[in-house]
Amino acid sequence: EGQLLESGGGLVHPGGTLRLSCAASGLTLSGFALSWVRQAPGKGLEWVATISPTGRVYYAESVKGRLAISRDNSKNSMSVEMHSLRVEDSAVYYCAKVLERWLVQDAFDMWGQGTAVTVAS
Amino acid sequence: QSVLTQSPSASASLGASVKLTCTLRSGLTNFAVAWHQKRPEGGPRFLMKVNTDGSHRKGDGIPDRFSGSSSGAEHYLTISGLQSEDEADYYCQTWSVDLSWVFGGGTKLTVL
Repeated sequence: EGQLLESGGGLVHPGGTLRLSCAASGLTLSGFALSWVRQAPGKGLEWVATISPTGRVYYAESVKGRLAISRDNSKNSMSVEMHSLRVEDSAVYYCAKVLERWLVQDAFDMWGQGTAVTVAS
Repeated sequence: QSVLTQSPSASASLGASVKLTCTLRSGLTNFAVAWHQKRPEGGPRFLMKVNTDGSHRKGDGIPDRFSGSSSGAEHYLTISGLQSEDEADYYCQTWSVDLSWVFGGGTKLTVL
């Protein structure tokens, strides 16, 4: 059974930059839309960004202009570079894939374990 | 008004059944919904996707105790034969070109 594994989280100062990665094992990410979803402490799940199988990108309004999502099918992975980080970006970030290949708008059917991002001075 | 509304909390006894509700905002119809379980540790777990025609697809290894249904704007996750490990937060999700990907606020389920 496939797995997604996030990495790259940590402590960063407000205004700083961080790059999160999501690697897959036991499954091929090519053909699937991939997303980042975050959960701030004590809060619910919040969709952040998605990249389609063909590379089209989608961002939540709260992060638009500060995040850049990308994918590397040759490395079976996805990344997001986060700039101008704010205290309110502090959260556990999860990567997720959609259920059906070649469908962008779909349910998330596989999640990683998450990587924690803390933005603080 | 939120796109998806869930009750913040629910509780039921061990071995009993519980029905969690996820309500689509007024005016939104014909949206499929997915359900996810989130325990304190680890990532969310996909439970199932419930299509607009009532058909559903479950995640790998999800027991038959978990079932989904819908009626109009309301979508339901029913868990029967509650077990202690079912104590978790449950989130509904929907998606569309206009909405992007949206989650309900989650329901914290306590197993008594």
